[in-house]
Amino acid sequence: DSGVTQTPKHLITATGQRVTLRCSPRSGDLSVYWYQQSLDQGLQFLIQYYNGEERAKGNILERFSAQQFPDLHSELNLSSLELGDSALYFCASSAERGRREGETQYFGPGTRLLVL
Amino acid sequence: GQQLNQSPQSMFIQEGEDVSMNCTSSSIFNTWLWYKQDPGEGPVLLIALYKAGELTSNGRLTAQFGITRKDSFLNISASIPSDVGIYFCAGRLYGGSQGNLIFGKGTKLSVKP
Repeated sequence: DSGVTQTPKHLITATGQRVTLRCSPRSGDLSVYWYQQSLDQGLQFLIQYYNGEERAKGNILERFSAQQFPDLHSELNLSSLELGDSALYFCASSAERGRREGETQYFGPGTRLLVL
Repeated sequence: GQQLNQSPQSMFIQEGEDVSMNCTSSSIFNTWLWYKQDPGEGPVLLIALYKAGELTSNGRLTAQFGITRKDSFLNISASIPSDVGIYFCAGRLYGGSQGNLIFGKGTKLSVKP
């Protein structure tokens, strides 16, 4: 158990809908990262938040957005969903900046999204 | 974008055999991480490497940070059925965005009892 929790574990929805995925980082971790994993794409970095602020952006679509709240949990919002958005979405967290060891990422169990 | 070349893509081995996989890049990395992912689960950190030339073990697993800083390998000795899964390397570029990892495409390991 990495200490990172994600809800829900599974989500089935229809095209055009909007969903929110939730992540709670390990206790004390300030950074949260979101990844998408599709069958043919591997793990793709979407976005990073550090202590409530956006820190880095990867291949995140404009239809997707995220935020990190004062209690450090994070939410990933996916809107106008398309069939191709079906994937596993992982959250990871790390402790601190400036030290490589503190930036090691620990992953949650993921949310499996199926868009029908 | 930046890429990590992870090989082999898949391996089919007999229980008890040793396994070796590696990741290479044309870019320099300051951190290498190795993860294992079981089906439907999140990647689990196996070994973290922070210095060029560093050799680190975790039970039957051994990983090294290449001296050129452009590669890393993972060895598994005396494989057992529970070693089955997908192994990912991940690296952080030297001078890259803090926390931003680049992942290899994974090595799928199958172990025959």
